[in-house]
Amino acid sequence: QKEVEQNSGPLSVPEGAIASLNCTYSDRGSQSFFWYRQYSGKSPELIMSIYSNGDKEDGRFTAQLNKASQYVSLLIRDSQPSDSATYLCAAYTGRRALTFGSGTRLQVQP
Amino acid sequence: DAEITQSPRHKITETGRQVTLACHQTWNHNNMFWYRQDLGHGLRLIHYSYGVHDTNKGEVSDGYSVSRSNTEDLPLTLESAASSQTSVYFCASSDYQGSTDTQYFGPGTRLTVL
Repeated sequence: QKEVEQNSGPLSVPEGAIASLNCTYSDRGSQSFFWYRQYSGKSPELIMSIYSNGDKEDGRFTAQLNKASQYVSLLIRDSQPSDSATYLCAAYTGRRALTFGSGTRLQVQP
Repeated sequence: DAEITQSPRHKITETGRQVTLACHQTWNHNNMFWYRQDLGHGLRLIHYSYGVHDTNKGEVSDGYSVSRSNTEDLPLTLESAASSQTSVYFCASSDYQGSTDTQYFGPGTRLTVL
């Protein structure tokens, strides 16, 4: 079992809709979680981090964490074609290194 | 502005050759990391360093080595390149803040081993 799992997609949503990206993790000792966005041929860039159970909002992005269910999600409201990218979920397990999922490819249709 | 750079951006080499990929950061971060990214595998950790003269193995360290002689640089060496090491390599750095540690990535190096 992979430590951090994501559906590879592609997840296709129409422009203006809410995109919901999900991630599960196996290590209950994981302390914090990160969402990175990666455009094709580019490096990952951090868009959200979350450390406590519940929701964290930043503009059109909301990260949700449920440690009891070992589940992290990212919601993107009012999705735009420019949001089309691969979204990587990562968990920090205290080794000062991140464990990444394989990523979910999001396609926003105009 | 502080940044993290990698060189070369593209490299083609032959099986058995030694290859070194450079990573340089001007953030003055203590932590530096090397990942490889392959289709279907996401980012996998190769080696990482918490500071000068410190190095640690990641999950896919076989065939790779690193050394840290200063804060700014963490070169990655492939001792004898193999076709299985064809990949995109990313360097990252962070300034340890406990569980809120945030990593910043370089632009990547695309390596092809023929």
